[in-house]
Amino acid sequence: EPEVTQTPSHQVTQMGQEVILRCVPISNHLYFYWYRQILGQKVEFLVSFYNNEISEKSEIFDDQFSVERPDGSNFTLKIRSTKLEDSAMYFCASSGQGEAFFGQGTRLTVV
Amino acid sequence: GEDVEQSLFLSVREGDSSVINCTYTDSSSTYLYWYKQEPGAGLQLLTYIFSNMDMKQDQRLTVLLNKKDKHLSLRIADTQTGDSAIYFCAESPIKAAGNKLTFGGGTRVLVKP
Repeated sequence: EPEVTQTPSHQVTQMGQEVILRCVPISNHLYFYWYRQILGQKVEFLVSFYNNEISEKSEIFDDQFSVERPDGSNFTLKIRSTKLEDSAMYFCASSGQGEAFFGQGTRLTVV
Repeated sequence: GEDVEQSLFLSVREGDSSVINCTYTDSSSTYLYWYKQEPGAGLQLLTYIFSNMDMKQDQRLTVLLNKKDKHLSLRIADTQTGDSAIYFCAESPIKAAGNKLTFGGGTRVLVKP
């Protein structure tokens, strides 16, 4: 069964460093998303991506964040100058015309 | 904006039925989803219902929607220990492109043998 895969599963980074979280969406899907879940809080929408551009973003997704689809398979989330409060589980998702399928998540710990 | 609320915790005995409740605020046509998250794992889609439906059944899972009260429930029949997980309700408005999800806080279900 096709699935969304995310790497790494866990990333530890020092405050102020840049991180890139990687995702391989399901191959025939057209819409791609990033969500995050801070420990003990709700899963929050960050950004959606379609046709090589951002289609919607939340107020969380400020200039610190960027997304890219560098080739035909990967979808990345870059976080510049990480802060302690960026520590969270980051989920990638993809969808065709229907429901979204989620990856296993990357746990980002900023120290 | 949209808001989705769930109760925090449910304890159930193995073999009994579980009912997980959710309320939402979006009044437009929408899809409503139930996702399951096991420890250390991602979000697994269990089932979904469109807002013009009242009920959907899929094996042990029954989704009931009261559109007037904006209340959604997930019933798990014959609950097993493997059903212990966090269950998230989510809603998504109908749009031409993509479906941004608004999640509830999740209900932790503990199944006791």
